[in-house]
Amino acid sequence: DAGVTQSPTHLIKTRGQHVTLRCSPISGHKSVSWYQQVLGQGPQFIFQYYEKEERGRGNFPDRFSARQFPNYSSELNVNALLLGDSALYLCASSYLSRPTADTEAFFGQGTRLTVV
Amino acid sequence: DAKTTQPNSMESNEEEPVHLPCNHSTISGTDYIHWYRQLPSQGPEYVIHGLTSNVNNRMASLAIAEDRKSSTLILHRATLRDAAVYYCIFTRYNAGNMLTFGGGTRLMVKP
Repeated sequence: DAGVTQSPTHLIKTRGQHVTLRCSPISGHKSVSWYQQVLGQGPQFIFQYYEKEERGRGNFPDRFSARQFPNYSSELNVNALLLGDSALYLCASSYLSRPTADTEAFFGQGTRLTVV
Repeated sequence: DAKTTQPNSMESNEEEPVHLPCNHSTISGTDYIHWYRQLPSQGPEYVIHGLTSNVNNRMASLAIAEDRKSSTLILHRATLRDAAVYYCIFTRYNAGNMLTFGGGTRLMVKP
């Protein structure tokens, strides 16, 4: 079975540009979450989507947005890129019959975004 | 914020047991305790989770203190592949995948 897949794996963008990152969850998983991991730190929660609705949002500016599609795949969009947005962006999926913490999250390998 | 305290780094010899401690003094009665690990250049990987009782799976054991303010992840026989950053997280029961990662413990395994 395929795990969580993210695309692209690497990306270089210029300050002020916009970027779209994509995530396909494990088949049957209805919940997708996004995390940002700056070099040397633990991942920071950005968004959680469950059944195509936003269920949680971390402490990130409005330049960050996301959505989940009917097939449960997801996109993370970042506008007006800053140098500080350079990071590894991780997507995680879970099989949730309800939004409970009594389950495990499966992470993808991430998208490495570099803003120059 | 759901804050945990872990040592920055630990060292172990290959094939010996490893006990990774975590303090979570602000945990509430319905919060779950999760452990994830992250190998170099990879996304985090689920290790184990629990609520009140000790838990065992094929990867590790989780020992939860009676007052639930601390827990210990036990790797029974460390291998070189276990060298990673280990994150202890506690999560509100209705939080789903909203995991609050701290700095974690970097485990080094010596051959």
